[in-house]
Amino acid sequence: GAVVSQHPSWVICKSGTSVKIECRSLDFQATTMFWYRQFPKQSLMLMATSNEGSKATYEQGVEKDKFLINHASLTLSTLTVTSAHPEDSSFYICSARIGGTEAFFGQGTRLTVV
Amino acid sequence: QKEVEQNSGPLSVPEGAIASLNCTYSDRVSQSFFWYRQYSGKSPELIMSIYSNGDKEDGRFTAQLNKASQYVSLLIRDSQPSDSATYLCAVRGQSNAGKSTFGDGTTLTVKP
Repeated sequence: GAVVSQHPSWVICKSGTSVKIECRSLDFQATTMFWYRQFPKQSLMLMATSNEGSKATYEQGVEKDKFLINHASLTLSTLTVTSAHPEDSSFYICSARIGGTEAFFGQGTRLTVV
Repeated sequence: QKEVEQNSGPLSVPEGAIASLNCTYSDRVSQSFFWYRQYSGKSPELIMSIYSNGDKEDGRFTAQLNKASQYVSLLIRDSQPSDSATYLCAVRGQSNAGKSTFGDGTTLTVKP
């Protein structure tokens, strides 16, 4: 199946710093990537839809200036959590879609802000 | 009412039994339905997708869709301890470019 690689798998950062998470589709070109956040024992919450070459579409309640998404190529999307705070600690997961099928998920990034 | 509802469980079945996972959705025009398996601390893994009414079988897994009842289920035959995980139901609307909505998941435990 299609492979989506997400990096890093975990990161610890200090409050107030920024963290960048990368999502790559390794063996296919993904025109659309999705970014999710998952808190413990909760389901995936879509944060934004990232389309190659255009601005990301953010879900209601997600601060676009805090969660910067860049989808510069058909194989790479990045999420930058700016000025991170402890409440941003979560499991961030990207997914990439091939055509109309459902997406394949990256391995996820466990972010801990101290 | 949540858009996608699942029993949170936990659902416990003995090894070798059939595990039945259920999901209901509220948007009647939903077109695509997916089941994911998520192990603790890991990201979801696609198990099954189903788009039309009826059953779809893949190995030990069978997805069942009833659009009139707005109901989709996943059956796992000959359950194994390795099937113990949280199973997420996801529903997508009419557009292929549309986003998927996930249920909260059902935790399944298969006891040896």
